[in-house]
Amino acid sequence: QVQLQESGPGLVKPSQTLSLTCTVSGGSISSGGYYWTWIRHHPGKGLEWIGYIDYSGSTYYNPSLRSRVAMSVDRPKNQFSLKLNSVTAADTAVYYCAREVVPAAIGWMDYWGQGTLVTVSS
Amino acid sequence: DIVMTQSPLSLPVTPGEPASISCRSSQSLLHSNGHNYLVWYLLKPGKSPQLLIFLGSTRASGVPDRFSGSGSGTDFTLKISRVEAEDVGVYHCMQALQTPRTFGQGTRLEIE
Repeated sequence: QVQLQESGPGLVKPSQTLSLTCTVSGGSISSGGYYWTWIRHHPGKGLEWIGYIDYSGSTYYNPSLRSRVAMSVDRPKNQFSLKLNSVTAADTAVYYCAREVVPAAIGWMDYWGQGTLVTVSS
Repeated sequence: DIVMTQSPLSLPVTPGEPASISCRSSQSLLHSNGHNYLVWYLLKPGKSPQLLIFLGSTRASGVPDRFSGSGSGTDFTLKISRVEAEDVGVYHCMQALQTPRTFGQGTRLEIE
């Protein structure tokens, strides 16, 4: 069974960079047919899809965050990462990593991590 | 972006009774391949979100058959035939047709 686990600081100061890592177990991040995805859930609001990266490092970011987001993949460690710069209080959220299964170039997230709360505050 | 709208936002249900959640999209989610790219998830505090339904009506592995998804185009429904206590949580629909993926606001199911 594929499992994902987010890790990183739970508190980030305004204007700094939020950095999270997702460790994948039970499957290889280098397997084709999947995108490795980040989603966030603002307190009391809906879910927001941040973007994805594939095993080769190709990315797609939500246009609403594109100017501040960067994702990377570390195949030997079976990990992928998220960086979000110039954070404000509006970036306070539970951040999830997930695997998106892409059976025919269009897909959906089938496995998710438990999520990690990141608070932006001085 | 495709806007997803769920109703109701809160759903109190008596155990053993049925429940129904509506999800509407601002654009059709019906692909030329005949599939509707609509997905349902269940979120519970401290747990990994669970995939319930994909392609509008296909139950994910391990999901009880009391859960069913229906609909096509822009109107979709998640039904629970007989609610159990473990079904408590927030249900979200998501469109998987386009990037960025977008979600409904969530429906909180509570046990009365």
